[in-house]
Amino acid sequence: KAGVTQTPRYLIKTRGQQVTLSCSPISGHRSVSWYQQTPGQGLQFLFEYFSETQRNKGNFPGRFSGRQFSNSRSEMNVSTLELGDSALYLCASTTYPTGAATGELFFGEGSRLTVL
Amino acid sequence: TQLLEQSPQFLSIQEGENLTVYCNSSSVFSSLQWYRQEPGEGPVLLVTVVTGGEVKKLKRLTFQFGDARKDSSLHITAAQPGDTGLYLCAGAPLEGPGTYKYIFGTGTRLKVLA
Repeated sequence: KAGVTQTPRYLIKTRGQQVTLSCSPISGHRSVSWYQQTPGQGLQFLFEYFSETQRNKGNFPGRFSGRQFSNSRSEMNVSTLELGDSALYLCASTTYPTGAATGELFFGEGSRLTVL
Repeated sequence: TQLLEQSPQFLSIQEGENLTVYCNSSSVFSSLQWYRQEPGEGPVLLVTVVTGGEVKKLKRLTFQFGDARKDSSLHITAAQPGDTGLYLCAGAPLEGPGTYKYIFGTGTRLKVLA
């Protein structure tokens, strides 16, 4: 079955602009989470959505926002871009766990954002 | 703030050598996962360990979860060039199932030379 699809794969923006990234999860996966990956900070959790509701949020400023649609597709938006926002943004989907099971995160290939 | 420190950060070894990567924290996790990420791709799950003291083997890879569920290790026997990649540990906080706020480790970049 098709994997997690992220668009665009690469983009270049300038400081002050805004950007919207898209993520289509694996069919049947209702949970979508977003991570920022940088060489210095590693993978950091941004937020997680389930059934169009944000369930968890990481320690990022309010410039970072997201949403999930009824078909489980998700978008994240970064406003007023800063140089430090340059990173690989990864989206991951998973099925809703039952019991105490820990779900596997299925990652997309990421959207590489460069802010000039 | 829960942190996962991995060591070493970088590792370059010859094919056939053994290696161990460590993932340590002062916090307790309900479970711990190991992922491998190759250039231009997202991380891919290798294993999930749930019980303190648990040991899992995946061909040449052996994973161990510490008794106190604060640390984990990944041991690779007879490394091959195909093992090259970024290895990431990820801890699931004790907030219960359904909480996908995984804490990722700092990563270990492994290069296996032929």
